[in-house]
Amino acid sequence: KNEVEQSPQNLTAQEGEFITINCSYSVGISALHWLQQHPGGGIVSLFMLSSGKKKHGRLIATINIQEKHSSLHITASHPRDSAVYICAPYSGGGADGLTFGKGTHLIIQP
Amino acid sequence: DSGVTQTPKHLITATGQRVTLRCSPRSGDLSVYWYQQSLDQGLQFLIQYYNGEERAKGNILERFSAQQFPDLHSELNLSSLELGDSALYFCASSARSVPAPTEAFFGQGTRLTVV
Repeated sequence: KNEVEQSPQNLTAQEGEFITINCSYSVGISALHWLQQHPGGGIVSLFMLSSGKKKHGRLIATINIQEKHSSLHITASHPRDSAVYICAPYSGGGADGLTFGKGTHLIIQP
Repeated sequence: DSGVTQTPKHLITATGQRVTLRCSPRSGDLSVYWYQQSLDQGLQFLIQYYNGEERAKGNILERFSAQQFPDLHSELNLSSLELGDSALYFCASSARSVPAPTEAFFGQGTRLTVV
């Protein structure tokens, strides 16, 4: 079973700060997903990546497959970025090959 | 709006009872996935159905069962409920049978509270 560790568990920052959320996993994977869960529950997929780096607006995700580590960065953070961010590595083999971190609860204060 | 509809949004019930959670996938999506999210465990995969047939099974208890109907909506049945079953239950759907979240769309979840 893939053990997934996210850090920090909770993060409170001021608007405009650069945010980094880290994810480490124990088993080799073919892809890793970052999900965003807003208050109220809805889950949205932000990125899927299998190597290198991806950027979408103010969000940047990086992955180092050899190190079994991924990071999610938010530049110029805004209160609307307040959410839980979940890392989900996929080791293949079907739906049960997708495991989830416990999430990082991010609060951006104005 | 993801296009995935879950009902009810909230459910409060007593221990020992049975409840049914319902999920309507996005139009045209054949796969439905059920997940449980509790405070201390994060998201846990329960079960997947693809076009009416069970495709994959995760950490689903024997007290829980699911099915997907010919119109592709799915129901998750939870019986002999225990306090520890209190959680958010998510349904996701995708057009294919792969579980990649970029291809899957999540519902808003059903918050189950067992008292």
